[in-house]
Amino acid sequence: DGGITQSPKYLFRKEGQNVTLSCEQNLNHDAMYWYRQDPGQGLRLIYYSQIVNDFQKGDIAEGYSVSREKKESFPLTVTSAQKNPTAFYLCASSPGQGTVRNEQFFGPGTRLTVL
Amino acid sequence: KQEVTQIPAALSVPEGENLVLNCSFTDSAIYNLQWFRQDPGKGLTSLLLIQSSQREQTSGRLNASLDKSSGRSTLYIAASQPGDSATYLCAVPLVSGGYQKVTFGIGTKLQVIP
Repeated sequence: DGGITQSPKYLFRKEGQNVTLSCEQNLNHDAMYWYRQDPGQGLRLIYYSQIVNDFQKGDIAEGYSVSREKKESFPLTVTSAQKNPTAFYLCASSPGQGTVRNEQFFGPGTRLTVL
Repeated sequence: KQEVTQIPAALSVPEGENLVLNCSFTDSAIYNLQWFRQDPGKGLTSLLLIQSSQREQTSGRLNASLDKSSGRSTLYIAASQPGDSATYLCAVPLVSGGYQKVTFGIGTKLQVIP
C-alpha cells in the first residue's frame, strides 16, 4: 500500500520536553510538509521540504525543527520553546514543484497534548 | 499573501439534496486548486485537483469548477448522503521565492441528515 504514515497517533508532552513526530511516505514524492491544525483555524504551514537535505520555514516555524536526511522521512521536533504546542499535526507529501499534477496527500495525523 | 475563504462555514441538508460549497482566493496566479475532505480526528483525503488550465473536474457525485479570473471555485455534491458528512477544505498553492506554499481555507462543515 502506498501512502503516508504518522506516528504516534496520540502524544503527551510534559512542560519543558522536546518531542519528535514521525512522518514516512512511500509514494516516492520529493516534497513533504508539516501543518498544524487548531480548532476554528485553517491548516498552518510549519515547515516544508522540496527535496532531500533542503527545507524551508513556513508561517509558524518558531519552536519547531525538522530534518530531511532521507526522501521518505520528514520528522518534526516540537521543542520546549514552542509555548502552545497542543494541536493536531498533519504531515503531507506531493510529487514536487514542476510536476504537472502536484497533488498533496496527507497522513492520518498526530494529536499532541501538553500535560 | 494568498487568502482563502470558504462559505458557508457550516451547512446542514436533508439526504438527497444537491449542494454547493464555495471557495474564494485573493491571488489568481495559481496553477491548481485542490479540494479535500476531513473526517473528525482524521487526516485530509484528496477529492479533486483542478489544474489552472481546466474549468472543471468530476469524480463520481462530485464536480469542482474553477474560475481563476474571479478567484472562485465551487464544489458541487449531487444527491447527498449521510456518509458525505465531513468538513470540506479547499487549498491553493502559490509559488513564492521559488518555493510552493499552500494556503488552506478553514473549511465548510457539512451535515447530511438521514
